Amino acid sequence: NAGVMQNPRHLVRRRGQEARLRCSPMKGHSHVYWYRQLPEEGLKFMVYLQKENIIDESGMPKERFSAEFPKEGPSILRIQQVVRGDSAAYFCASSPEGLSNTEAFFGQGTRLTVV
Amino acid sequence: KQEVTQIPAALSVPEGENLVLNCSFTDSAIYNLQWFRQDPGKGLTSLLLIQSSQREQTSGRLNASLDKSSGRSTLYIAASQPGDSATYLCAGPSGGSYIPTFGRGTSLIVHP
Repeated sequence: NAGVMQNPRHLVRRRGQEARLRCSPMKGHSHVYWYRQLPEEGLKFMVYLQKENIIDESGMPKERFSAEFPKEGPSILRIQQVVRGDSAAYFCASSPEGLSNTEAFFGQGTRLTVV
Repeated sequence: KQEVTQIPAALSVPEGENLVLNCSFTDSAIYNLQWFRQDPGKGLTSLLLIQSSQREQTSGRLNASLDKSSGRSTLYIAASQPGDSATYLCAGPSGGSYIPTFGRGTSLIVHP
């Protein structure tokens, strides 16, 4: 059973371009969480999704950011018109059910650099 | 809103020492508490999960405790080794969506 897979591991984008980050949860996991980690800062929650539904997006900026978790395929975090401040490590985690009863498993992250 | 604080922010110890990392949280209605390890440039590795009904969990040289009433958890590392050098993070889900809130971590260096 492969772990949570994120790709790409490293992504370089010029200001104004789009960044698409992918997360394939562990087999049997239908809950996905996206976090952002800025240098010297902690992990900040962005969005929580179940298959085809956004459950909680309270941590996601209202503009330029969107996320989806389709019925088939990986979860996608999309950042439009990237700016330097978007440079960070983006992590996703997955779980088989809500986290009141189970633990979260994290991927290796995608490190986005905006130049 | 849950807030998680980890003390100390950084710790440097000689190999072989026993050490305690602290995690405090503001919302005692926590469902569980999870400890993670993060190596530089890497993802998070789950170390221990303590359910709210439990007081402690052990895995090898690691022992984590949870005291909901005081809003604290501790991670005890016995006989530390250089390979334990990493950042240790705690997180606990609370609220309706069970979203884990993370502390900023304790950066541990164990020198030979």
